Amino acid sequence: QKEVEQDPGPLSVPEGAIVSLNCTYSNSAFQYFMWYRQYSRKGPELLMYTYSSGNKEDGRFTAQVDKSSKYISLFIRDSQPSDSATYLCAMTRTGANNLFFGTGTRLTVIP
Amino acid sequence: EAGVAQSPRYKIIEKRQSVAFWCNPISGHATLYWYQQILGQGPKLLIQFQNNGVVDDSQLPKDRFSAERLKGVDSTLKIQPAKLEDSAVYLCASSLNTNEQYFGPGTRLTVT
Repeated sequence: QKEVEQDPGPLSVPEGAIVSLNCTYSNSAFQYFMWYRQYSRKGPELLMYTYSSGNKEDGRFTAQVDKSSKYISLFIRDSQPSDSATYLCAMTRTGANNLFFGTGTRLTVIP
Repeated sequence: EAGVAQSPRYKIIEKRQSVAFWCNPISGHATLYWYQQILGQGPKLLIQFQNNGVVDDSQLPKDRFSAERLKGVDSTLKIQPAKLEDSAVYLCASSLNTNEQYFGPGTRLTVT
């Protein structure tokens, strides 16, 4: 079993839709959770960072962590064509040397 | 603030040839990482440096891959000899702490 599971999609939505992206994980020691956005032929860009459980909102983006279910989500409101990219979840634990990434979900927002 | 710089952006080589990638991290970031990202997968850590010392190279194929970070700033990653399965994007990242890593644009390597 992989430590981090993410549905690779692809996911296509119309402009203005609410998008829900999800990851599950198996290591209960993970405490730090991140979402990266990766445009085609670019490096990943840190989008959201949360610690432990709860919600964090930044503009049209909301990150949600449910540690009891080992489940994290990223919601995008009023999605725009410029949101079309691959979204990678990543997580780590205190004292770890590296991030553990999901495989990424490819999102296309259709105008 | 300038981001992480990498070069070259693209490289095509034949199997058994050697190749080197260069990375310049964000100024002041002591920690530098090299990741390998195979198409359709998330990045996989190859090696982590803290200043000019290696922190973790457990997933680096040491029979063919090597990396160094002289003077604790720039870093180079080398593959010699390359195999077909090394075709991937090689990402460099830097951070002040593990949790917030900033990535460069990557070097796309094709081995034919």
